[in-house]
Amino acid sequence: DTGVSQDPRHKITKRGQNVTFRCDPISEHNRLYWYRQTLGQGPEFLTYFQNEAQLEKSRLLSDRFSAERPKGSFSTLEIQRTEQGDSAMYLCASSLGGIQPQHFGDGTRLSIL
Amino acid sequence: KQEVTQIPAALSVPEGENLVLNCSFTDSAIYNLQWFRQDPGKGLTSLLLIQSSQREQTSGRLNASLDKSSGRSTLYIAASQPGDSATYLCAVRPGDDKIIFGKGTRLHILP
Repeated sequence: DTGVSQDPRHKITKRGQNVTFRCDPISEHNRLYWYRQTLGQGPEFLTYFQNEAQLEKSRLLSDRFSAERPKGSFSTLEIQRTEQGDSAMYLCASSLGGIQPQHFGDGTRLSIL
Repeated sequence: KQEVTQIPAALSVPEGENLVLNCSFTDSAIYNLQWFRQDPGKGLTSLLLIQSSQREQTSGRLNASLDKSSGRSTLYIAASQPGDSATYLCAVRPGDDKIIFGKGTRLHILP
């Protein structure tokens, strides 16, 4: 299966620590998206890339968050100085671009102690 | 600002019954509408995608309708089975970037 892959699946860390998640999109997909989903809510858009360019960032993406897609392939999402409110499922999706369907990974569940 | 609302938030029905999940959205300017399924702790599985020019889509026991002018969509599940238990998310695509999701309907099919 060559779907969207996210690593790690689960991350437990103490408040104040930095964490980094990785997303590997479907090969040849030039669009990559990050969403955040808290308990009982639908996913909320964070940011997206067209190849290596970050084209849009949500207001939800505070200055503690940074995302990169250095070579237009995999992407990383880093959260610095984690807070309790960062506990959520972080979902990655990729697409061929434009309004093509987005394909989602299984997410990384972050728990802040 | 586009908002997506799903009713009911939770639903329990006996196995074998037909059921309807509802979705409404505030801005009719969308490219498409999509229904996803999410199992606990998992990612999203796309069930049906309806383009803005379409009225409905069908896949097996699932049928989704779209009335863009009234800002409504329904997901019809026929002959429900315990394996259908999951959260169902409705989502709209207002542009070529993000997807806007509802909060979902948690469905429990009683054996």
